[in-house]
Amino acid sequence: ETGVTQTPRHLVMGMTNKKSLKCEQHLGHNAMYWYKQSAKKPLELMFVYSLEERVENNSVPSRFSPECPNSSHLFLHLHTLQPEDSALYLCASSQVGGGHETQYFGPGTRLLVL
Amino acid sequence: GQNIDQPTEMTATEGAIVQINCTYQTSGFNGLFWYQQHAGEAPTFLSYNVLDGLEEKGRFSSFLSRSKGYSYLLLKELQMKDSASYLCAVRGDTDKLIFGTGTRLQVFP
Repeated sequence: ETGVTQTPRHLVMGMTNKKSLKCEQHLGHNAMYWYKQSAKKPLELMFVYSLEERVENNSVPSRFSPECPNSSHLFLHLHTLQPEDSALYLCASSQVGGGHETQYFGPGTRLLVL
Repeated sequence: GQNIDQPTEMTATEGAIVQINCTYQTSGFNGLFWYQQHAGEAPTFLSYNVLDGLEEKGRFSSFLSRSKGYSYLLLKELQMKDSASYLCAVRGDTDKLIFGTGTRLQVFP
């Protein structure tokens, strides 16, 4: 148990669907992250929220829309996705300004877009 | 550009020692991390190096040479449960973590 939870763990959606991924951290951290992990590719940073402000948007298509209502919760809203968006979506959190700022990851949501 | 290189796959025998290498070229350097990721699970933090030298933590050790842009993760007394992917990540001058593709380690009895 890393203190970061994600739901759902698995999601299958059509290209016209709208769905949301949820992440919750129980570590008292002040920064949260969304990453995309595709087979045989490095983890790709998508979004960073620090103190509930979005500080990074790594050229992610607008069909991905993040939301951070408070420092413990992070959402990723999905709409009109493409099959190439199928991947493992990982959430992480860290304490910015607190030493080496290790990021702790959730178990991920395995997304399949049909 | 920014680049992290590590071998794609390695195999080893239970009880043996294995060294997983990582070389990096990044804009700035503010620390190097190693994570372990079992299939279908979250990456879990193993080690952090920011100064040159060896950091030892039980059966796992991590080494850093900043002048060479090089790190390795050393796993001793290998166990079957050590079969996993090992991710090398560097924090550059933008404070973002840049990840390698990971090294998939298989431990055989």
